[in-house]
Amino acid sequence: QSALTQPASVSGSPGQSITISCTGTSSDVGAYSYVSWYQQHPGRAPKLMIYDVSNRPSGVSNRFSGSKSGNTASLTISGLQAEDEADYYCSSYTSRNTWVFGGGTKVTAL
Amino acid sequence: EVQLVQSGAEVKEPWESLKISCKASGYSFTSFYIAWVRQMPGKGLEWMGIIYPGDSDTRYSPSLQGQVTISADNSISTAYLQWGSLKSSDTAMYYCVRHDPRSGYYFDYWGQGTLVTVSS
Repeated sequence: QSALTQPASVSGSPGQSITISCTGTSSDVGAYSYVSWYQQHPGRAPKLMIYDVSNRPSGVSNRFSGSKSGNTASLTISGLQAEDEADYYCSSYTSRNTWVFGGGTKVTAL
Repeated sequence: EVQLVQSGAEVKEPWESLKISCKASGYSFTSFYIAWVRQMPGKGLEWMGIIYPGDSDTRYSPSLQGQVTISADNSISTAYLQWGSLKSSDTAMYYCVRHDPRSGYYFDYWGQGTLVTVSS
């Protein structure tokens, strides 16, 4: 099963908004509203940031938001801060009752 | 407090066997799935497989089927990831993660990771 497609890197100035895309197929992203996003700082375990396309777990800043259209999901970070610099991974449940991750996107605050 | 505490780093030689563990606490172990996620050096996350300790239902990534075994011991709330014969390409960080079947299809808690190094 192929990984979901994410841009390798996205950058923005502090205070700006950035969006990370995550493209799959009609068997994963397009099939369900089960896309989640994870943030990983260097040397740390990933952390859940968004689940079920657009829901934030308790404690996650409302600067993080998610959406989906067709086979592509997106994560938007508003008011980019230095602490947001990290790798971000999308994930989707699939029609084969498995999960698939994206290749990851490195976010840089210029 | 929900915690997933993984066993320590391992250094092994090719062809050796290995079993790493993930001890759960702070919730009902048999009511949640535990999955394993691989991260090879400098690479992204890869879903390996999942087990439901409640009935031992287990599923694997098609690309890893037969290469690893996932199991659980409910008496000590611990899940395992096991290799019968390691290869250098198994060198990676391995995370155990929790999935609540009642609330969606995501991983809400992550272990700290176990680094496995396979080298001769």
